[in-house]
Amino acid sequence: EIVLTQSPGTLSLSPGERATLSCRASESVSSSYLGWYQQKPGQAPRLLIYGASSRATGIPDRFSGSGSGTDFTLTISRLEPEDFAVYYCQQYGRSTGTFGQGTKVEIK
Amino acid sequence: EVQLVESGGGLVNPGGSLRVSCAASGFTFSHVWMTWVRQAPGKGLEWVGRIESKKDGGTTEYATPVKGRFTISGDESSNTLYLQMNSLKIEDTGVYYCATDVPNTYGALDSWGQGTLVTVSS
Repeated sequence: EIVLTQSPGTLSLSPGERATLSCRASESVSSSYLGWYQQKPGQAPRLLIYGASSRATGIPDRFSGSGSGTDFTLTISRLEPEDFAVYYCQQYGRSTGTFGQGTKVEIK
Repeated sequence: EVQLVESGGGLVNPGGSLRVSCAASGFTFSHVWMTWVRQAPGKGLEWVGRIESKKDGGTTEYATPVKGRFTISGDESSNTLYLQMNSLKIEDTGVYYCATDVPNTYGALDSWGQGTLVTVSS
């Protein structure tokens, strides 16, 4: 089972700043099978990025994903007030899936 | 519009069984992969298991903590996904979400239900 480790655990930033979130896998993950989700309190998660770099339907272009192999990154170019939330990476595909433990982006 | 509605959660004793359901609409049930994800109170997301689309073979996969205890199945006639949970443990407590994937991505989850709470406690 692939273990995903996200860093940092918490990111304290101000609106307008750039956020860079990391996701490291215990073994190589196909770029086709790496996704990022946003979750706000009391809500179901929302898919932001799939296939490491493809934005899901309706996701603003300030969200971007990159990476390959064991290292992946979610970047939010300029934080909007509604972007303060918890973010998870996920690997999926034809075997068992796993999520990272999450990164909380909080208002500084 | 894709809609997923979970039901069947509740309080169950350790060692007991429970079946939760996910009523699906707005898409062709047999054409999508469907996944169960859970979240313990105040904790992160945990992938539980998934069932492939019928056209891809309908194979199921399970996370290690639930393998041998949980079973995922689907009923095309009613467009309903099920999660049968046996030998429940306290650590199985949480909100259980069903989700469907972006077509042909093998599990990028873009539609989610609102979740159903399962509490395992004596």
